Amino acid sequence: IAGITQAPTSQILAAGRRMTLRCTQDMRHNAMYWYRQDLGLGLRLIHYSNTAGTTGKGEVPDGYSVSRANTDDFPLTLASAVPSQTSVYFCASRGTAPYTEAFFGQGTRLTVV
Amino acid sequence: AQSVSQHNHHVILSEAASLELGCNYSYGGTVNLFWYVQYPGQHLQLLLKYFSGDPLVKGIKGFEAEFIKSKFSFNLRKPSVQWSDTAEYFCAVNMNYGGSQGNLIFGKGTKLSVKP
Repeated sequence: IAGITQAPTSQILAAGRRMTLRCTQDMRHNAMYWYRQDLGLGLRLIHYSNTAGTTGKGEVPDGYSVSRANTDDFPLTLASAVPSQTSVYFCASRGTAPYTEAFFGQGTRLTVV
Repeated sequence: AQSVSQHNHHVILSEAASLELGCNYSYGGTVNLFWYVQYPGQHLQLLLKYFSGDPLVKGIKGFEAEFIKSKFSFNLRKPSVQWSDTAEYFCAVNMNYGGSQGNLIFGKGTKLSVKP
């Protein structure tokens, strides 16, 4: 069982380019999340999805979009990358029972130049 | 808005010293509480969690945390740290609506450096 798989592991991207970060889970969790991690700021929620077909905005959604066509996949798209989006991005998933923890992927290190 | 505060940005300890990392949250309702650890270059891993019951919870690697509802706190402790505990520690909270759970909100993290 792989858990959560993120791709790519790292990427250097030119400003203005479009980029999709991929996230796939095999735990059949209904809820999925995208966080960005920045030094001194901890993890901030970008977007979330409580179930397939629904998405919501987190704390820092601007410049990002997500989709949730099925239970397993939750891609994050940067339509036109900017240097301030340089960060480490973590995907997470969670069951929908009241008492569950989140599981995290290995992260994608993105550098926008 | 719900928020999580971690009091220390960077803690430096010698091996065998005791550890306590503070965490406070702002929500007054029912909450679920977590501590995650991130070793250098790795992803977040669950250290321990509190959902209900005994407010003193024990996690992996000798860590424990105490939920004090009146203080809105969930401090992490370890009696004797090891060099291998060098990592960043994140407190996280979600609201519990009785049948569903809110999004997981993280503190800014505390970096722990243990000197051998």
